[in-house]
Amino acid sequence: SQQGEEDPQALSIQEGENATMNCSYKTSINNLQWYRQNSGRGLVHLILIRSNEREKHSGRLRVTLDTSKKSSSLLITASRAADTASYFCATDARETSGSRLTFGEGTQLTVNP
Amino acid sequence: ETGVTQSPTHLIKTRGQQVTLRCSSQSGHNTVSWYQQALGQGPQFIFQYYREEENGRGNFPPRFSGLQFPNYSSELNVNALELDDSALYLCASSGSGSYNEQFFGPGTRLTVL
Repeated sequence: SQQGEEDPQALSIQEGENATMNCSYKTSINNLQWYRQNSGRGLVHLILIRSNEREKHSGRLRVTLDTSKKSSSLLITASRAADTASYFCATDARETSGSRLTFGEGTQLTVNP
Repeated sequence: ETGVTQSPTHLIKTRGQQVTLRCSSQSGHNTVSWYQQALGQGPQFIFQYYREEENGRGNFPPRFSGLQFPNYSSELNVNALELDDSALYLCASSGSGSYNEQFFGPGTRLTVL
C-alpha cells in the first residue's frame, strides 16, 4: 500500500520556471526522501530530510517538512528541460528492524524548452 | 551511477515459470532492499536483507523469496509467476545507520506473458 500521496500527479512548466511538488503521508516517520526517476529507469536519490529538520537545500532543490501536517514539498528552481522526470517522495518509518521506504505515486514533471 | 548493478536488464517469462533476479550492492553496504514497481505506480517494498538475514518484509506472498550472500549481493526469486508480477524490480543497497540513504540499481524489467 502507498503511504504518500504526491500532488499534483502531473505538472507541465516552461524552462526557467519553478516547480513545486507536494507529498502527504499518514504515519510517523524517521526521515523523508525525494527521488527522481527517468522513464522507468532506476531511482536517483535527491535529498533526505530528517524528522527533526524543517528545511533543506541542495543546489536548485529545496525541501520542506512539516511533521505536524505530515507533509513535505520539493521545490526545483530555475527548471531545465533535463529536469523532466517522475519525482517520488518516500517515507522511512524506521523502528527497530531497519528501514523500509514507502513511496507515493509520484509526480510527472515535464519542463518544456 | 550508484555502484548498484542488477541483472538481467530485461526478462520475459510465461505464467507459472520461476525467475531469479540478481543485485550487486555498492561497496561497503551490508543491506539490500527489493522493491516492485508496477507501471505508473510508485515502488512497493518487497523485503530487506541485512547480513544475510531477512530483515523485514512487505505485503508479498511467500512465492517471493530472497537470499543475501556473504559479499552482500542478493537474489530475488519469484515462483509460479503471475501476469501481475510484470513490473520493474529495483534493488537498493544501504549501510545500516539510521539516516543512510538507499542507492538504487537500474532495475530489471520483468514481463510475464
